[in-house]
Amino acid sequence: EAAVTQSPRNKVAVTGGKVTLSCNQTNNHNNMYWYRQDTGHGLRLIHYSYGAGSTEKGDIPDGYKASRPSQENFSLILELATPSQTSVYFCASGEDNYAEQFFGPGTRLTVL
Amino acid sequence: GMPVEQNPPALSLYEGADSGLRCNFSTTMKSVQWFQQNHRGRLITLFYLAQGTKENGRLKSTFNSKERYSTLHIKDAQLEDSGTYFCAAEANTGNYKYVFGAGTRLKVIA
Repeated sequence: EAAVTQSPRNKVAVTGGKVTLSCNQTNNHNNMYWYRQDTGHGLRLIHYSYGAGSTEKGDIPDGYKASRPSQENFSLILELATPSQTSVYFCASGEDNYAEQFFGPGTRLTVL
Repeated sequence: GMPVEQNPPALSLYEGADSGLRCNFSTTMKSVQWFQQNHRGRLITLFYLAQGTKENGRLKSTFNSKERYSTLHIKDAQLEDSGTYFCAAEANTGNYKYVFGAGTRLKVIA
């Protein structure tokens, strides 16, 4: 049973449109993370959260918002999508005091 | 420079060969994780280390926080080892944030 799931798995959006990427975890972890992966950059942290109601800026937060309405769910929101946000997005969860992270399968987003 | 430098960027190995990957850190890190990204793009956790050495089958990883590096050693490489390997390091800030290296693309050749 997959512990970190993401939806949708693939998304095509238009420039200027709003996109919401969803992540759900059944690990009961406090911490959740959103990354994007682009060729030559590895994964880069966009936003993260320490628990329900908390969101923190990562290393590349511009153009993105995040929402953590519950322990299980963490969303990444692109209010005005741009072609530069075309990427593969990964969600992860992790415990406090033991920072190993567990990743979802990824969402491929294309902004036209 | 980059906080996590990963080498080599690409590597080809014949089946049965041994090799090592390395990550150097610009500052003292608290822990490190190693991942394999398979051909479907899925990230598979290989190791999590806060110190020392761990082994799992043909894989062995070492993390030396003081010397600011971590290594991943692959023994007797198999075709299914092909993929991209990433290290990710947690800084000593206590905020559970990871910084990823750019990855090593490994191709195992029959």
